[in-house]
Amino acid sequence: DTAVSQTPKYLVTQMGNDKSIKCEQNLGHDTMYWYKQDSKKFLKIMFSYNNKELIINETVPNRFSPKSPDKAHLNLHINSLELGDSAVYFCASSQETSGGADTQYFGPGTRLTVL
Amino acid sequence: AQSVTQLDSQVPVFEEAPVELRCNYSSSVSVYLFWYVQYPNQGLQLLLKYLSGSTLVKGINGFEAEFNKSQTSFHLRKPSVHISDTAEYFCAVTLTDSWGKLQFGAGTQVVVTP
Repeated sequence: DTAVSQTPKYLVTQMGNDKSIKCEQNLGHDTMYWYKQDSKKFLKIMFSYNNKELIINETVPNRFSPKSPDKAHLNLHINSLELGDSAVYFCASSQETSGGADTQYFGPGTRLTVL
Repeated sequence: AQSVTQLDSQVPVFEEAPVELRCNYSSSVSVYLFWYVQYPNQGLQLLLKYLSGSTLVKGINGFEAEFNKSQTSFHLRKPSVHISDTAEYFCAVTLTDSWGKLQFGAGTQVVVTP
């Protein structure tokens, strides 16, 4: 069983389109995250949810909207896609309260290419 | 605010040789430190983490790291690498009350050759 899964694995789309990436974890964790990895492999946190509540919201364009229907799922919707949105997006989860010490488990990534 | 610097962008190493990956951090408050590994076309996996206590931390796959508070460093070592250790290695830091808000370094690409 995959612990953290993401769909799709690859996403190729045109500028201006709207797309969603889905993430699911079966670890029973309370906290989920979205990270963006750019072409230079730099990783930056975008959002985090704890029990469906948004707790981390970094400086991300408001074209990006996360949604957590339940604590096992965290989806990322992106409106009006731009060339600069091309990246690999990773979902992660952890059994996190507020302390910061817990291990984060990462999904396999979704490679988004905007043409 | 905290930051992480990985001093080497790429480290070539021969199989069975030792390797050290350097990581320095800056923070005015207590932090937790992590090393994650990313194998080609995969997600990240935790190698080890320092929370408190013994400054020498042992992780998976024979890796270890030493926390040095005075030098604000958290260098990763392995005494003998395998071809399968070829990967990108990320040092990361988080504040102790941050809900897991990891700040990653730029990564070090380790290339192991026979």
